[in-house]
Amino acid sequence: AAGVIQSPRHLIKEKRETATLKCYPIPRHDTVYWYQQGPGQDPQFLISFYEKMQSDKGSIPDRFSAQQFSDYHSELNMSSLELGDSALYFCASSQTGNSYNEQFFGPGTRLTVL
Amino acid sequence: DQQVKQNSPSLSVQEGRISILNCDYTNSMFDYFLWYKKYPAEGPTFLISISSIKDKNEDGRFTVFLNKSAKHLSLHIVPSQPGDSAVYFCAASPNTGFQKLVFGTGTRLLVSP
Repeated sequence: AAGVIQSPRHLIKEKRETATLKCYPIPRHDTVYWYQQGPGQDPQFLISFYEKMQSDKGSIPDRFSAQQFSDYHSELNMSSLELGDSALYFCASSQTGNSYNEQFFGPGTRLTVL
Repeated sequence: DQQVKQNSPSLSVQEGRISILNCDYTNSMFDYFLWYKKYPAEGPTFLISISSIKDKNEDGRFTVFLNKSAKHLSLHIVPSQPGDSAVYFCAASPNTGFQKLVFGTGTRLLVSP
């Protein structure tokens, strides 16, 4: 079965640079979520989109922005990168109306800021 | 403010025995509870879920129990297998729809042969 695709899998950037992370949800899933997982921490919700509109926002820095495109893929744009942005970034997708809000996660993008 | 807590950072179990992973939550608005399994360098994999109107849900070797009055849930794996060794996250959500998941801190399960 098709899964959530994230690219790139690994990304190394310098401080103050920008980064773009991409997410391709499972076909027919209409909602995309972004989570950030720091070392030794649990995943923290950043932002979500439903039908290309922002549906919820968590602890996402103002330096970050995201959008969902007409083909439902999503991009997370990160500017003025800081050392503390080094983390695993997960994208998850779900289909509205599923029973218990099951979200299916991609493999993640490991961002390292030097 | 950790709304979902997994107080045991690690658990070791012998193959064939039962593994019990526990999770507590504080937010009474949570209606849906999910367990995810995570291997290093991979994304969380959905295992099993339960809604607040139930107290038990089973799927093969995995059973989740919910005690709503105690705001406590547990995941039972029986029999445990070495391939079950991973980090297990409990997650909660207010209700269905496009709601964010709030994760616990995870429990590392080690199943030894």
